[in-house]
Amino acid sequence: DGGITQSPKYLFRKEGQNVTLSCEQNLNHDAMYWYRQDPGQGLRLIYYSQIVNDFQKGDIAEGYSVSREKKESFPLTVTSAQKNPTAFYLCASAPGGATGELFFGEGSRLTVL
Amino acid sequence: RKEVEQDPGPFNVPEGATVAFNCTYSNSASQSFFWYRQDCRKEPKLLMSVYSSGNEDGRFTAQLNRASQYISLLIRDSKLSDSATYLCVVNGKTSYDKVIFGPGTSLSVIP
Repeated sequence: DGGITQSPKYLFRKEGQNVTLSCEQNLNHDAMYWYRQDPGQGLRLIYYSQIVNDFQKGDIAEGYSVSREKKESFPLTVTSAQKNPTAFYLCASAPGGATGELFFGEGSRLTVL
Repeated sequence: RKEVEQDPGPFNVPEGATVAFNCTYSNSASQSFFWYRQDCRKEPKLLMSVYSSGNEDGRFTAQLNRASQYISLLIRDSKLSDSATYLCVVNGKTSYDKVIFGPGTSLSVIP
């Protein structure tokens, strides 16, 4: 079945450690996005990518890094520079060239101890 | 001013009630508009797109006013299963543009 897969679903890390969240899609979508959601808050855009080997910063990119080496993959690294990394991270994809819905993964819940 | 703003909520309504959510956006160049639904601790899912002429899907009606940069969602005959957070989403001309989510409005439908 086509879809978008995030892993891991839950992750616990010690303060100061870098963490990489995986996002894979088999929908052949050009655009991919990473959002962060804090309790009771809306989604905030971290990074987005329109095509392979290209990505743009969103509203809260500081302390995060991404890569887009393959069309189907858009991993997010939460670095030790991110001051408050504990959050719910959502990856999404969308077909390029036309407006349409975003397809979300089930999310990764990161807790930094 | 935030790019997309919504009624802060929460809305607590009895079953069978009609409830309306409002959303405003700041970028007049925005081209496409959506309502998403998010259940607690889950990912958002598309509820419906919003077209210039307005559109209806069962008990749900969406309206767009480009002049006022305003979007609305009307839910008629509320069901318990409608309890969720409703997110207003604004996009550019294509999916290559930045997609902006509103903060969401929480709805609780009470028996």
